[in-house]
Amino acid sequence: AQSVTQLGSHVSVSEGALVLLRCNYSSSVPPYLFWYVQYPNQGLQLLLKYTTGATLVKGINGFEAEFKKSETSFHLTKPSAHMSDAAEYFCAVSDHGGNKLVFGAGTILRVKS
Amino acid sequence: KAGVTQTPRYLIKTRGQQVTLSCSPISGHRSVSWYQQTPGQGLQFLFEYFSETQRNKGNFPGRFSGRQFSNSRSEMNVSTLELGDSALYLCASSGDRMNTEAFFGQGTRLTVV
Repeated sequence: AQSVTQLGSHVSVSEGALVLLRCNYSSSVPPYLFWYVQYPNQGLQLLLKYTTGATLVKGINGFEAEFKKSETSFHLTKPSAHMSDAAEYFCAVSDHGGNKLVFGAGTILRVKS
Repeated sequence: KAGVTQTPRYLIKTRGQQVTLSCSPISGHRSVSWYQQTPGQGLQFLFEYFSETQRNKGNFPGRFSGRQFSNSRSEMNVSTLELGDSALYLCASSGDRMNTEAFFGQGTRLTVV
């Protein structure tokens, strides 16, 4: 069975600092990996996805993630945090191309001014 | 083009009642998935419908059911509501291709009292 582990339920960074949100997955088949962001009382918005090909994936709002098969990781980074990045972030894995997602527990990102 | 629309946004029901939630996917999308989000259990997959057929099912009791219509709109029904059914219910639509992402609606906040 597939699973996702997000290290750190809460991450706090200063505005302008590096954002690093960690995600490790378990999958018996080559995975499709996703990062979603959720603002309060809203649905989920896709930040980026990895399916095949280039292991460094660039997404919206300056976020990127690197697929490392040997480490079964898909960590999310952003060079410089902005106040508007404060939200909850979810890593997800699917072997059906997005139609059935298994989510991590989420990481709440706080950005300090 | 219009996004995923869920109605209603908020709902309050009494224990023992039943409830029906509605989801209209993005035009052209035939796959609709449902997720339950709670603080304790996080995001959990309920089921997926594709072309009016249930294609995937999560690990929820039979009180949770769904259906999809010929226009791809989907409904989710929960019977004999329990307090623990209080959650944000999210609907996601996907295209037919296997590596496509899921687009989420804003959700229906169900409160059972």
